[in-house]
Amino acid sequence: DTAVSQTPKYLVTQMGNDKSIKCEQNLGHDTMYWYKQDSKKFLKIMFSYNNKELIINETVPNRFSPKSPDKAHLNLHINSLELGDSAVYFCASGTGNQPQHFGDGTRLSIL
Amino acid sequence: AQSVTQLDSQVPVFEEAPVELRCNYSSSVSVYLFWYVQYPNQGLQLLLKYLSGSTLVKGINGFEAEFNKSQTSFHLRKPSVHISDTAEYFCAVSRGGSNYKLTFGKGTLLTVNP
Repeated sequence: DTAVSQTPKYLVTQMGNDKSIKCEQNLGHDTMYWYKQDSKKFLKIMFSYNNKELIINETVPNRFSPKSPDKAHLNLHINSLELGDSAVYFCASGTGNQPQHFGDGTRLSIL
Repeated sequence: AQSVTQLDSQVPVFEEAPVELRCNYSSSVSVYLFWYVQYPNQGLQLLLKYLSGSTLVKGINGFEAEFNKSQTSFHLRKPSVHISDTAEYFCAVSRGGSNYKLTFGKGTLLTVNP
């Protein structure tokens, strides 16, 4: 059973389009996260939700909008995609200080 | 604010040699420390963690790390590496409060050569 699953795994699209990435966790964790990994492999937090409540929003352009319909799901919608949005987006989940579990990532390429 | 410095961006070693990947952190409060491994085109897998207690922690695949509070370090070690250990290794820190976001180092690419 996949603990943290993201879809799609690959996303190739054109500048200006709108796209969504979905994430689901079956670990019963309270908190879910989105991280962005750039072309140099640097990982940075974008958002975090705890029990459907937004608790972290790290200076991300407002073209990015996370949504958490319940504590097992955290989706990421991106409007008006730009070349600089090309990256790997990782979803993760965790509880308290315990290690976070990561999905396999969504590789977003903007043409 | 917390930050993590991985001192080596690349570490090449020969198979069966020992390896140490260095990690230093800075934080004004107590932290929790982690090492994750990322194989090509895959997600992050936890190697080991330090939350409290014994400063020497053992993880999967024969890796271990030592938390040194006075030197604010959390170096990763393995006594004998295999070709299959070739991967990107990330040191990360989180702290308590209303969130436990991870702050990552820039990663160390470990390349094990035959």
